[in-house]
Amino acid sequence: DVQMTQSPASVSASVGDRVTITCRASQGVSSWLAWYQQKPGKAPRLLIYAASTLQSGVPSRFSGSGFGTDFTLTINSLQPDDFATYYCQQANSFPLTFGGGTKVEIK
Amino acid sequence: HLQLQESGPALVKPSETLSLTCGVFNDSLSSSSSYWAWVRQSPGKGLEWIVSMYSSGSAHYSPSLKSRVSVSVDTSKNQFSLRLSTVTATDTGIYYCARNEVGALDYWGQGILVTVSS
Repeated sequence: DVQMTQSPASVSASVGDRVTITCRASQGVSSWLAWYQQKPGKAPRLLIYAASTLQSGVPSRFSGSGFGTDFTLTINSLQPDDFATYYCQQANSFPLTFGGGTKVEIK
Repeated sequence: HLQLQESGPALVKPSETLSLTCGVFNDSLSSSSSYWAWVRQSPGKGLEWIVSMYSSGSAHYSPSLKSRVSVSVDTSKNQFSLRLSTVTATDTGIYYCARNEVGALDYWGQGILVTVSS
């Protein structure tokens, strides 16, 4: 199985800040990496797939990059609606595996 | 646009079988080339993938759950189902169905909380 490690586990930030979340795979997953946002009591929402492709309807302040084992989700100019937990997920092979999550909190 | 809706009992007794169904709306399982998936989330914890299946019934399973999971697809009702046998308290959580398209899970149901308790 491919292990996904996210860091940090939590981050405190202010509205307008840039936030960067990293995800590392235990083995190469090419560009088969997705990012999700989850708010309390809600289902996860797909933000980015194929490492850097923005899902339809997702604001352009979200961006993804990376290839192989190291990936980054960046939120530019953090908005109040962005305070949530973010997960990465590798899609290169079954079993699909998720990172442990990063909680973005209000500073 | 595509919508998914989970249904099933909210309470299951230990050692019994958890059975959930996902209704698919505004897409056809029989003509879809997508995988359809189940993902769960224990209270306060992260996401755990359970299974992804084709409408043909072929599936990929989580190795840790494979011995207890079975899946089925009913194209006439446009729904797919999950059965998890011999449940314990550690199977308590929110269960989501989702479309598994090009590896990513792009559409999700709202989730259903299942509690395992006597």
